[in-house]
Amino acid sequence: DAKTTQPTSMDCAEGRAANLPCNHSTISGNEYVYWYRQIHSQGPQYIIHGLKNNETNEMASLIITEDRKSSTLILPHATLRDTAVYYCIVRGVGNEKLTFGTGTRLTIIP
Amino acid sequence: SAVISQKPSRDICQRGTSLTIQCQVDSQVTMMFWYRQQPGQSLTLIATANQGSEATYESGFVIDKFPISRPNLTFSTLTVSNMSPEDSSIYLCSVSRTSGGYEQYFGPGTRLTVT
Repeated sequence: DAKTTQPTSMDCAEGRAANLPCNHSTISGNEYVYWYRQIHSQGPQYIIHGLKNNETNEMASLIITEDRKSSTLILPHATLRDTAVYYCIVRGVGNEKLTFGTGTRLTIIP
Repeated sequence: SAVISQKPSRDICQRGTSLTIQCQVDSQVTMMFWYRQQPGQSLTLIATANQGSEATYESGFVIDKFPISRPNLTFSTLTVSNMSPEDSSIYLCSVSRTSGGYEQYFGPGTRLTVT
């Protein structure tokens, strides 16, 4: 699976949109982009995934660039409960494994 | 989604002993996975456990140290054998409903401290 690069940490004001970038310049055509988050002392939680089109669900939006080399996870109205480590993972079709990088530690500031 | 429970939630063990961690899912699942998260680190996959077959271990993990059982489609155990302080970690199980399934669901983890 392609390697991902994320900023180590980010801050965001409560109520504002949190935009978390991820670089995956070596992604191949059949690889999906997944986002998980891990709130302190909990197991990781699935957020969203996409292949090439932008995706939105009740938690977040995923914007993937046209060349698929990078993506952005958007939390539209961040709350204090969104403070967590966010992992961007690239995973190929038929590959069951999730390879976690170091992620981005997002802190929501009151 | 899937509801996953792990037992114990935490334990303190002496070096040289073994601990078996249980993972129970509220519905049948195809794939089960065991991860380790060392203090301050990200998650590392230990092995994949499918019902009816031997677990598949990742590089750096061996069956003698981390034996795994998968007796049915809702349950798995991971044993950490002959423990040393370096085994102090959070151990997490996760499940995927189908092969190639988009989502993996994670249990709450077992926090192990070896003294």
